Amino acid sequence: AQSVTQPDIHITVSEGASLELRCNYSYGATPYLFWYVQSPGQGLQLLLKYFSGDTLVQGIKGFEAEFKRSQSSFNLRKPSVHWSDAAEYFCAVGAREYGNKLVFGAGTILRVKS
Amino acid sequence: DVKVTQSSRYLVKRTGEKVFLECVQDMDHENMFWYRQDPGLGLRLIYFSYDVKMKEKGDIPEGYSVSREKKERFSLILESASTNQTSMYLCASSSPAGFFYEQYFGPGTRLTVT
Repeated sequence: AQSVTQPDIHITVSEGASLELRCNYSYGATPYLFWYVQSPGQGLQLLLKYFSGDTLVQGIKGFEAEFKRSQSSFNLRKPSVHWSDAAEYFCAVGAREYGNKLVFGAGTILRVKS
Repeated sequence: DVKVTQSSRYLVKRTGEKVFLECVQDMDHENMFWYRQDPGLGLRLIYFSYDVKMKEKGDIPEGYSVSREKKERFSLILESASTNQTSMYLCASSSPAGFFYEQYFGPGTRLTVT
């Protein structure tokens, strides 16, 4: 069955430190890849997406993500975290062979300490 | 900007009540979705629709139904609410028809069934 794995349930980083959130998926072909962010009590906001082309994609709020086909990964990164980045982050994957639906990871909660 | 609105941010209902959750999008999107979000489980798809009066079951449709009478509006119905339906409900939309991947989300409705 299709799956999207975010291995870290919680991550705590210091303000100003770098961040990497991991995402792995179990699809054969190149899927469509997304990262969403959810602030407390809010809906999901699209941070960035990968469909094809350059495997390093830039998003909003200073985030970037890199698609690595050999590792079936799409990790999210930010060079310097701000306190306002504290939120829950979801990786999502879409693929035609899985019914054209988005499949979401369980989420990673980011805490930022000052 | 795509705007997806949901009729209530917070809702408290009693067991056995019929519950309506409303979602409206203003970007003329063909596809609309209902998810429920529970801690540690990510987002799970309840129902989706790719056209007016069309609906498809998602991964967890039991206990729910939907209605789409107009393109911009997608309603989720709990025929007889139960305590295990206490959750955060998120509506989303996307375009074009049949392209389900880049979804835009509403702010969510936190439903408590007592």
